[in-house]
Amino acid sequence: EIVMTQSPGTLSLSPGERATLSCRASQSVSNNLAWYQQKPGQAPRLLIYGASSRATGIPDRFSGSGSGTDFTLTISRLEPEDFAVYYCQQYFVSPLPFGPGTKVDVK
Amino acid sequence: QITLKESGPTLVKPTQTLTLTCTFSGFSLSTTGVGVGWIRQPPGKALEWLALIYWDDDTRYSPSLKSRLTVTKDTSKNQVVLTMTNMDPVDTATYYCAHRHLNRGWFDPWGQGTLVIVSS
Repeated sequence: EIVMTQSPGTLSLSPGERATLSCRASQSVSNNLAWYQQKPGQAPRLLIYGASSRATGIPDRFSGSGSGTDFTLTISRLEPEDFAVYYCQQYFVSPLPFGPGTKVDVK
Repeated sequence: QITLKESGPTLVKPTQTLTLTCTFSGFSLSTTGVGVGWIRQPPGKALEWLALIYWDDDTRYSPSLKSRLTVTKDTSKNQVVLTMTNMDPVDTATYYCAHRHLNRGWFDPWGQGTLVIVSS
């Protein structure tokens, strides 16, 4: 069973700054990795699939990279609406765990 | 446009069985490759994947909850039903259903979620 970890737990940044979030799988998932954004009181929204492909309507300030066990979500310049919790999830093999999440909050 | 919406009781008592329904539109669960998943989120905590059902009735469950979960589908009604037995206060969470395609793997889109509180 694959275990997902994320770091840091909380990232405190200012609007306009660059955010770098990490996700690690306990074994290789190739590029079968998705990132989701969740704002308070809302359902998660797909941001990135295939480790690096942006979902429909996602701004290009969001980018994903990595393969195998180590992945990164980068937000090039934080906009006010980007302060949220971000989860990674592997879909290489069932079960399909999510990571514990990284909260990006305002410094 | 794909939409999903969860429905069910807001309050259940400990030891009771929870039944949640996901009603969807914009796709058919009789189409090859299509699936619906269930995910939950306790208040203030992370997402937890629970179960999946595919167009061919193949089902997958979280190993830690497998003995308590059943997921079924009613293709004619465009509904998926999740049943969880022996509910406990730790099962208090928002429960989401989401669309998934076998060949793509990610969950998109998600329903709005429904809060279930387990309390006597």
